[in-house]
Formats: sequence, structure tokens, C-alpha cells
Amino acid sequence: GENVEQHPSTLSVQEGDSAVIKCTYSDSASNYFPWYKQELGKGPQLIIDIRSNVGEKKDQRIAVTLNKTAKHFSLHITETQPEDSAVYFCAARSQSGGSNYKLTFGKGTLLTVNP
Amino acid sequence: DAGVIQSPRHEVTEMGQEVTLRCKPISGHNSLFWYRQTMMRGLELLIYFNNNVPIDDSGMPEDRFSAKMPNASFSTLKIQPSEPRDSAVYFCASSNIAEAFFGQGTRLTVV
Repeated sequence: GENVEQHPSTLSVQEGDSAVIKCTYSDSASNYFPWYKQELGKGPQLIIDIRSNVGEKKDQRIAVTLNKTAKHFSLHITETQPEDSAVYFCAARSQSGGSNYKLTFGKGTLLTVNP
Repeated sequence: DAGVIQSPRHEVTEMGQEVTLRCKPISGHNSLFWYRQTMMRGLELLIYFNNNVPIDDSGMPEDRFSAKMPNASFSTLKIQPSEPRDSAVYFCASSNIAEAFFGQGTRLTVV
């Protein structure tokens, strides 16, 4: 099955700096890669995603890149703010027979933005 | 839409008791996932349904765990009997082919 590795497990940056979180996946057939942000006491919320036919996607201060050959994708947050502090999860969607699919998550990255 | 709705938000129970967690997916979504989150293991997929049919339950840790989806708008995850090591946050998520949306989770504590 799919295996997703995420690094680093913790990341501390100063407000205004950039933050980068990296993930690798094992199933070359995976074709959709979402990123989730989880704040304390809440469920994960989708913040950005990328499909396998695209190499990069940007939404204001966040961007995601995908390298299908190397099977890795990254989340980039620029001009970080204290409210960016949260746990971030990457995921990969793989087929599970027929039209069925499932999301496999990385272990998460605790991002702390220091004022 | 109110999003994915889970109940209860918190559950404290004694070891050996039956626990039932509930989920109402987003209307129109045809896939439903149950995840368990712990510090040690992160987010683990327990089981998922497609069009109310269980597709993959390989993540269900033991026979003490069972899940049902009697219709498109309701699913349950049951633990019987519960054990302290089942303490975790349980999330339900629903999907419409692409994006998956999570509920707020149920924090289960088994004492």
C-alpha cells in the first residue's frame, strides 16, 4: 500500500520567515496530494492540494510543488504569521481497487511561528 | 452545508464498556472515512466506505472495532469492549471524489 513520509516533525520559525515541509510517497500511481492544517482541538482542514498533472500551485502565501519522478511534494509558506502555527499534514491519494481510493497521511509537522 | 458532524465531541467511559461514535457526512459525498489520531501513530485510517459499502477495513485494529454505514447520511464506529489503549481522537471524513473534509472529532478516553 501507499506509504507517506513527512519531514520535519517539528519546525520553529520567526514571524516573517518562510517554512518548508517535505513529503515523499511510495505509490507511483497516486495522483492527488492535499495538505491539511490542524489547529488545537479541531479536525484537519484542507488548505491546498495539487494533482499529478501539475508541478506547482500557489494560493497567496502558500504554495505546493510536486516532483512525480522523485515522488516527493512540498508545502511552502512565505511571510509566516503566528496564526500559521498548527500541525500540518500531507497526504497522498491512491487507488484501492476499481474506482475506490483512499488518503494516506504523513505523521504531521508541528509548525511554531514565533512573534 | 454544516460540514461533517460527529457526536459526541467527548466521551469518557470505563474499560469494558461499549462505545459508539457517530458521523453524519456532507450531503452528496459518496465516500466516508474513519481515522484515529494519537501522538504515537498520527492519523491512521481505520476503515472507509464507498457508496455505503465497506471497501477497506484493514486498518481496524481488532475485532473489538466495527463500523457500519446503513445509509448515505449516517455511519457508526463501535468499540466493544473498550480498553484504555483505545483512548484517542477519532475523526470521520467524507469525500466527493477529490477533497476530503473532516469532522471535529470525538475525543475518547477509556479509564
